[in-house]
Amino acid sequence: DVKVTQSSRYLVKRTGEKVFLECVQDMDHENMFWYRQDPGLGLRLIYFSYDVKMKEKGDIPEGYSVSREKKERFSLILESASTNQTSMYLCASRRGGDGEETQYFGPGTRLLVL
Amino acid sequence: AQKITQTQPGMFVQEKEAVTLDCTYDTSDPSYGLFWYKQPSSGEMIFLIYQGSYDQQNATEGRYSLNFQKARKSANLVISASQLGDSAMYFCAMRRPRGGNKLTFGTGTQLKVEL
Repeated sequence: DVKVTQSSRYLVKRTGEKVFLECVQDMDHENMFWYRQDPGLGLRLIYFSYDVKMKEKGDIPEGYSVSREKKERFSLILESASTNQTSMYLCASRRGGDGEETQYFGPGTRLLVL
Repeated sequence: AQKITQTQPGMFVQEKEAVTLDCTYDTSDPSYGLFWYKQPSSGEMIFLIYQGSYDQQNATEGRYSLNFQKARKSANLVISASQLGDSAMYFCAMRRPRGGNKLTFGTGTQLKVEL
């Protein structure tokens, strides 16, 4: 079974702090994704990586950056956390190529910025 | 731009009854894929079913089936014989035609199964 793990289930940070959210997958997937989920808005793509050291902005990249130094690990960075970044963050991974291959999701990190 | 619309913010269904969750999509590309995911209160997204735009038959996976009406651009999820464990948030998503592996999600439908 594919396993996607996220470093924290719950996180509380203060405004202005630098925040790291870590995601690890064990299936050698090429593609990894970071989403945020907010009530009434569904999931919105923040960043996407299709290979080591390769990244692409999603729909809402402002205020975020990412790092992918190893294939299995994709980190989301909030350079200076703000209260409007309080949200649920979901990481996903997928094998490369088109077609019906699904994205596999981690359990999510609920981030509260005070 | 691609768009997914789920017009039902919440639904109730009685145990053992069937329920349909609506999903409409908007794209001008002939090649696309549609997914349904379930998100229980624990937060993890669980893949349920996939339909490709060129698939001739509606997708089925156990108690889940996808009512794909291409001309109407709808991809409704049908859950037969509902169980209490089906209570969750359900998301419809579309693989972006030229977006590689990126997905566009709807806003979700909260399903509550009652005794």
